[in-house]
Amino acid sequence: QVQLKETGPDLVQLTQTLSITCTVSGFSLTTYNVHWVRQPPGKGLEWMGAMWNGGGTDYNSAFKSRLSISRDTSKSQVFLKMNSLQTEDTAKYFCARQGRATRAFDYWGQGVMVTVSS
Amino acid sequence: DIVLTQAPLSVSVTPGESASISCRSSKSLLSSKGITSLYWYLQKPGKSPQLLIYRMSNLASGVPDRFSGSGSETDFTLKISKVETEDVGVYYCAQFLEYPPTFGSGTKLEIK
Repeated sequence: QVQLKETGPDLVQLTQTLSITCTVSGFSLTTYNVHWVRQPPGKGLEWMGAMWNGGGTDYNSAFKSRLSISRDTSKSQVFLKMNSLQTEDTAKYFCARQGRATRAFDYWGQGVMVTVSS
Repeated sequence: DIVLTQAPLSVSVTPGESASISCRSSKSLLSSKGITSLYWYLQKPGKSPQLLIYRMSNLASGVPDRFSGSGSETDFTLKISKVETEDVGVYYCAQFLEYPPTFGSGTKLEIK
């Protein structure tokens, strides 16, 4: 069955770099797009960026040049890397698959809660 | 970016009664292909969002038919008939017409 699982640190120091891995199963990264969405505590959802099935990427301009998304198709993994972390980057980070027919984010990982500490 | 405005902020419902949530878009979500790219999600407490409705009015797989979506190009409604206790959580509308995809601020449904 389709599964996505995020792994990453619980705590990141101020101004440091965040690295999260999304490991997927039940589908191929060369067939489906995978997106990153984050949610600060008690707040709403914010789209961060996408890894397209063809290997390209797209980013929310809100993250300017801080964000990088890449993948390793042989390991079925998508990577998020964001530098210059600030306290407002404290959030739960999700990866999600985009359905081919619905175009919606149809499967989500459980998310990883990251706290940026000074 | 397309802004989605949800109302109300929260709703309290007696089990068995109905609830409606509104979502208004700052721009038409009707594509040139005639598809309205408005989606509804439910995020249950402590869980990831789950897809309820896609393309304004289509029920996602496994979602009870108590849920229904309707609307126009900019004004949308999620209706939950015969609310059950398992329906508690925060409901979000989302648009995937343009990038970046954006979400409404959420409507919290509570049980009386």
